[in-house]
Amino acid sequence: GQQVMQIPQYQHVQEGEDFTTYCNSSTTLSNIQWYKQRPGGHPVFLIQLVKSGEVKKQKRLTFQFGEAKKNSSLHITATQTTDVGTYFCAGNTGTASKLTFGTGTRLQVTL
Amino acid sequence: DAMVIQNPRYQVTQFGKPVTLSCSQTLNHNVMYWYQQKSSQAPKLLFHYYDKDFNNEADTPDNFQSRRPNTSFCFLDIRSPGLGDAAMYLCATAATRTVTDTQYFGPGTRLTVL
Repeated sequence: GQQVMQIPQYQHVQEGEDFTTYCNSSTTLSNIQWYKQRPGGHPVFLIQLVKSGEVKKQKRLTFQFGEAKKNSSLHITATQTTDVGTYFCAGNTGTASKLTFGTGTRLQVTL
Repeated sequence: DAMVIQNPRYQVTQFGKPVTLSCSQTLNHNVMYWYQQKSSQAPKLLFHYYDKDFNNEADTPDNFQSRRPNTSFCFLDIRSPGLGDAAMYLCATAATRTVTDTQYFGPGTRLTVL
């Protein structure tokens, strides 16, 4: 079955440092979505990428979808303590609207 | 304003004692999903309803059942909870099954099995 892996599993940075998480799928994706889950919370939708090579920005967050539509990345510039949480990518294959979540990257930010 | 509501937020049950988790939505979405999320893991889809049409995932144990009596409500029934079923159960909704539709998650119910 489809597998979606993320690296790193965990990252600890100091506030102000940059952070990147990488998402790799075993199969070609129709689209990729990114979610943030705060400790004790539920996943919250951040963004969706659909086109091959697409890049989208949200303030300090930059999302990229690979040319082959099998990988994606999320980059946070100048992290803040409010960025703490686990970041999941989630992908759809074909026409199915069933999300397969990546393994997640837990981000810890300290002062 | 809460759009996807899950009750209770915390549920404790005994090994083998049936339990029902509830999800309601004010979005009038056609699709409702149930996910299981174990500690430090990604959410895993158990099943979903598209309107009244139930769609089970191949690897979802028979111990897990679901009901959707109307558009707004969906229930997750665990017939005989085992220790391995302790997890956060997340309900999510989407307007349609189009792949580009955003899923809106509820706050989850954390299930403890004693």
